[in-house]
Amino acid sequence: DADVTQTPRNRITKTGKRIMLECSQTKGHDRMYWYRQDPGLGLRLIYYSFDVKDINKGEISDGYSVSRQAQAKFSLSLESAIPNQTALYFCATSDTGQGGDTEAFFGQGTRLTVV
Amino acid sequence: AQSVTQLGSHVSVSEGALVLLRCNYSSSVPPYLFWYVQYPNQGLQLLLKYTSAATLVKGINGFEAEFKKSETSFHLTKPSAHMSDAAEYFCAVSDGSGTYKYIFGTGTRLKVLA
Repeated sequence: DADVTQTPRNRITKTGKRIMLECSQTKGHDRMYWYRQDPGLGLRLIYYSFDVKDINKGEISDGYSVSRQAQAKFSLSLESAIPNQTALYFCATSDTGQGGDTEAFFGQGTRLTVV
Repeated sequence: AQSVTQLGSHVSVSEGALVLLRCNYSSSVPPYLFWYVQYPNQGLQLLLKYTSAATLVKGINGFEAEFKKSETSFHLTKPSAHMSDAAEYFCAVSDGSGTYKYIFGTGTRLKVLA
């Protein structure tokens, strides 16, 4: 089984609908992240969390919200989806306590299409 | 604020030729630098990371990168390209001052020609 699991892997939704993307991890890491990937723009940080009670906005948080239900679970919600939120979304985790040189581990991604 | 710049959104090389993917960073604190690879329909996988222990870093699949502080660069190289190296490559920087966010470059898609 994958260490970082994202569900669903693919989703098509209509404009205005609420949608939730889920992420769970078995690595025991405290830090979790949500990124979106767009062609030519790389990965941009949406939200990040360093523990259950610590949620922080990234560079492109408008239109998104998150919930850290447990150490292992971090969900991303689009309250009212719009077409320019069509993208590939990645969840990632990293370990605490090893300094800035600890790498991030990524899920397989969720491809979201808003029509 | 930290940032990374990847020069060249697309790079093509012949099989067996040298691979050179460029990354320059901007950081007000000593950076931690990473190279990730993304194969089609997959997540990102770590190739290598710079942690200040050595300026020349060796990674998986024959890749290596050299940290040059004077040039603020962390270019990725591989002496001989293989068809299986075709993928998208991302350079990233992590803030070692405590925020531990990963800032990614815009990516370079590598094409290997037979």
